[in-house]
Amino acid sequence: ETGVTQTPRHLVMGMTNKKSLKCEQHLGHNAMYWYKQSAKKPLELMFVYNFKEQTENNSVPSRFSPECPNSSHLFLHLHTLQPEDSALYLCASSGGALEYNEQFFGPGTRLTVL
Amino acid sequence: GQNIDQPTEMTATEGAIVQINCTYQTSGFNGLFWYQQHAGEAPTFLSYNVLDGLEEKGRFSSFLSRSKGYSYLLLKELQMKDSASYLCAVRDSNYQLIWGAGTKLIIKP
Repeated sequence: ETGVTQTPRHLVMGMTNKKSLKCEQHLGHNAMYWYKQSAKKPLELMFVYNFKEQTENNSVPSRFSPECPNSSHLFLHLHTLQPEDSALYLCASSGGALEYNEQFFGPGTRLTVL
Repeated sequence: GQNIDQPTEMTATEGAIVQINCTYQTSGFNGLFWYQQHAGEAPTFLSYNVLDGLEEKGRFSSFLSRSKGYSYLLLKELQMKDSASYLCAVRDSNYQLIWGAGTKLIIKP
């Protein structure tokens, strides 16, 4: 595996379900990010981890819970979501959150909340 | 507030040249990025500007004017595979990336 991988690629869940999204980067980067991408809207930064420490939490509802066990893995735990949470969830990584380095994105998880 | 503006959609002809503009108002500036995103795929990095002027990379060039809060992405010799969304993003004083909504570029034969 190379680059940034995300699983699952597609997820359909009910509002009472609990699920998790997984991201793995094989680039030796120190920073990882979760973004939400909705149609015709800018990418919304949700969480940033730099050297496994959470450095940003942009007013994300508590029904989204991130976890970063090491610099290569990032999870997004989901529970009691709302239909408006349906979107593409993108994971990205970069060399470091405070350095010039472009972000490398995974293919995303297309989430549908019924 | 912070804001990135770019056109929603543009159409161009195969073989031609197209310029996609991006204007920004952010709290501080630490560089501007352009990304390409094909439908259903991940955004991929195209260019980075932190100083005024033109950066050229093959068929793609990116220009920055910090005093005007303005950038453009220039695509030459357009190919059908260039049909995609082009995302402009500015890194602010907190090193957060502020993203535009993207410009969907449609290439016609």
